[in-house]
Amino acid sequence: DAGITQSPRHKVTETGTPVTLRCHQTENHRYMYWYRQDPGHGLRLIHYSYGVKDTDKGEVSDGYSVSRSKTEDFLLTLESATSSQTSVYFCAISVKQNEQFFGPGTRLTVL
Amino acid sequence: GEDVEQSLFLSVREGDSSVINCTYTDSSSTYLYWYKQEPGAGLQLLTYIFSNMDMKQDQRLTVLLNKKDKHLSLRIADTQTGDSAIYFCAEGNGDAGNMLTFGGGTRLMVKP
Repeated sequence: DAGITQSPRHKVTETGTPVTLRCHQTENHRYMYWYRQDPGHGLRLIHYSYGVKDTDKGEVSDGYSVSRSKTEDFLLTLESATSSQTSVYFCAISVKQNEQFFGPGTRLTVL
Repeated sequence: GEDVEQSLFLSVREGDSSVINCTYTDSSSTYLYWYKQEPGAGLQLLTYIFSNMDMKQDQRLTVLLNKKDKHLSLRIADTQTGDSAIYFCAEGNGDAGNMLTFGGGTRLMVKP
């Protein structure tokens, strides 16, 4: 599992509330990623980080922000959750330049 | 933009070979990947192929790459019920961040 944990694993929240998802790695890898998975779309990149305080946008970044204050933690925040953000969220790390390993996922439901 | 396409569903009998196909559009792709996702789990990296190769074999898995046609396939020999899962192909450009673009996934069902 490449030492990746995600918390929480499941969350139900209401529209308009803020939500923060956490990704934690134990191996000090530089690159970390947040994806969302929706039926028929595979995984789509939300944001990624290439170091502490260094982040950039992915394909579907609107409505999301990220922070990385420590190498081991990458946080994804939905400032005001909407029903369209109901999804399964996966964190990944890049172990070698060409290999990404994924966490177990967080299932988020926005009512 | 980049696009990766896969068929949605494949059903095979246990012991047969499975072939999952994928097409991509980005000619600058450096690496092409196959991931497996079992129900309720994350994605597991199965194998990948560098773009200057046309075949890679790893135990029961064979990856074929036709770079001219931008076509990638994953063959699973002697398919078992434990192979039932969703399989995703993905492409990456191999640069420092190696952003991946995923296909929509192919659900493989293996019947006993």
